Amino acid sequence: KNQVEQSPQSLIILEGKNCTLQCNYTVSPFSNLRWYKQDTGRGPVSLTIMTFSENTKSNGRYTATLDADTKQSSLHITASQLSDSASYICVVSGANDYKLSFGAGTTVTVRA
Amino acid sequence: EPEVTQTPSHQVTQMGQEVILRCVPISNHLYFYWYRQILGQKVEFLVSFYNNEISEKSEIFDDQFSVERPDGSNFTLKIRSTKLEDSAMYFCASSVTPLAGVVKTQYFGPGTRLLVL
Repeated sequence: KNQVEQSPQSLIILEGKNCTLQCNYTVSPFSNLRWYKQDTGRGPVSLTIMTFSENTKSNGRYTATLDADTKQSSLHITASQLSDSASYICVVSGANDYKLSFGAGTTVTVRA
Repeated sequence: EPEVTQTPSHQVTQMGQEVILRCVPISNHLYFYWYRQILGQKVEFLVSFYNNEISEKSEIFDDQFSVERPDGSNFTLKIRSTKLEDSAMYFCASSVTPLAGVVKTQYFGPGTRLLVL
């Protein structure tokens, strides 16, 4: 069964600090990996999409990395802001299907 | 910027009742999806839909569930006889292309929170 595991489950950081979230997956064959931001009670919003040939992709203060060989990805948040408080979800798509496999998410809380 | 819309935002129903959740995907999108998220749990895939038929469905999507695109704009999820465990946030999503193949962003709606009593 395809799985996506994220760590840590939650973290608290001070405003202005950086943090890195981890994602490991077993989806195979692999098509692409996405990072989503989900505010409480809202739908997920796409941050980055990477295929197997891409190692890194940035979206403002968010930078995602991908190692397709080890099936690992990370999301780095630089100079965190209070508005970054949300759940960050790693989502992986297989090469042969139309569904996404979701991780449980990492809840990030940014404090002033 | 175009967005996926969903109605209602909240619905409360009695166990055993039928509910229909409605979605309006982005107008030029061809692929539609339903997901659900039970409170405190991860988002789960339910079904994908293209060209007026189901492309793929998960084991959650049993005979109690059905989807329909009744006209050129709406995409609906029907639960025939709701159970307590159907209480969740239901998200509709759409994309220009399928998730396999050319990689395009999938856009999610704001969700419908369903509470079954």
